Amino acid sequence: TQLLEQSPQFLSIQEGENLTVYCNSSSVFSSLQWYRQEPGEGPVLLVTVVTGGEVKKLKRLTFQFGDARKDSSLHITAAQPGDTGLYLCAGLYYGGSQGNLIFGKGTKLSVKP
Amino acid sequence: EPEVTQTPSHQVTQMGQEVILRCVPISNHLYFYWYRQILGQKVEFLVSFYNNEISEKSEIFDDQFSVERPDGSNFTLKIRSTKLEDSAMYFCASRETRGRNYGYTFGSGTRLTVV
Repeated sequence: TQLLEQSPQFLSIQEGENLTVYCNSSSVFSSLQWYRQEPGEGPVLLVTVVTGGEVKKLKRLTFQFGDARKDSSLHITAAQPGDTGLYLCAGLYYGGSQGNLIFGKGTKLSVKP
Repeated sequence: EPEVTQTPSHQVTQMGQEVILRCVPISNHLYFYWYRQILGQKVEFLVSFYNNEISEKSEIFDDQFSVERPDGSNFTLKIRSTKLEDSAMYFCASRETRGRNYGYTFGSGTRLTVV
């Protein structure tokens, strides 16, 4: 059974601080996707990382896929109150024919002004 | 930006009743999914659908659940006889292709409350 462990579960920081969220598994994934979810809404895709060691940047957000494609991290530089939300990592695996997502439990980020 | 539309946004039903949750995926997408999220828990895979048939289903997706694409646009999830533990947010998602580069587009969800 594929499992994704996310840490930390909760993070409360001041505006301007940096933070890193981790997503770890013992399983290899074809790709790793990061989503952001607002209360009462569906997850919204931020990025997909595919190649081991890949780094992608989205403004102040930096995503990295581990060399072995088992783990990933999200680093936010100079966090803003607008970054507040639930960040989910999800691994794509092809147990079936078309690929399905395994989600982590999420990291609830709160950025205080 | 194209979006996945789900209706209703909120449904309250009595235990034992049938419910149908509706989704309109993005028009050029070929792969469709249902996920659910029980309050405070992780998002869980229910079923995937391609070419008018189920591709894969999880252990959660038992005989009480069914999916259908009755016309070219709608994608529905039916729960035949709801149980209290079916209370959750149900998310429909679609993808253009099955390639690993492609992310999922999720709808805003239907909050199902079984009383």
